[in-house]
Amino acid sequence: DAGVIQSPRHEVTEMGQEVTLRCKPISGHDYLFWYRQTMMRGLELLIYFNNNVPIDDSGMPEDRFSAKMPNASFSTLKIQPSEPRDSAVYFCASSLGWTDYEQYFGPGTRLTVT
Amino acid sequence: AQSVTQPDIHITVSEGASLELRCNYSYGATPYLFWYVQSPGQGLQLLLKYFSGDTLVQGIKGFEAEFKRSQSSFNLRKPSVHWSDAAEYFCAVGGGSNYKLTFGKGTLLTVNP
Repeated sequence: DAGVIQSPRHEVTEMGQEVTLRCKPISGHDYLFWYRQTMMRGLELLIYFNNNVPIDDSGMPEDRFSAKMPNASFSTLKIQPSEPRDSAVYFCASSLGWTDYEQYFGPGTRLTVT
Repeated sequence: AQSVTQPDIHITVSEGASLELRCNYSYGATPYLFWYVQSPGQGLQLLLKYFSGDTLVQGIKGFEAEFKRSQSSFNLRKPSVHWSDAAEYFCAVGGGSNYKLTFGKGTLLTVNP
């Protein structure tokens, strides 16, 4: 398997623009997680899905952030409108579930909002 | 609520020296414990994990960790550090029905030649 795939790897955008980050989890994994990593706050869980259904979005910073998982092989994290404080590395991870709690991380998307 | 504390933000060791990274957790039931490593510009990679059984677990790259329930600790060790081990290390705890992991703030390891 190719592992968790994220695109784009780097994104530079201007404040106010819409940003869409994409993730393809490992095939067969039932759980998908979106994280944000910054120097100040470390690794934060934003939202996670089980079988394409959002389970816990309490980590989503505000209404400007939204996430969807239309099918088992694709998820998006959207920021609209973007702000400079959204600059961070965004990671997607997937997990098999059942008795396996291990999360497999993608390479991340480095977002810079100017 | 579950939490993880990694007391050391930054550790510097010489190549060939031994290493121990500390991790303390808080969790109400039997925890599942993990150590991940992140190299610059990369995602997190699993080093090792503890679910049950032998409290000393072996991982990749020569790392091991020991689960001590009485101390709520899961410290990571390596007998001889290599320059390629320079990275950031994260401890995480999970369990129960929600499959979430709670990560510590990380420990940055610098290896001097």
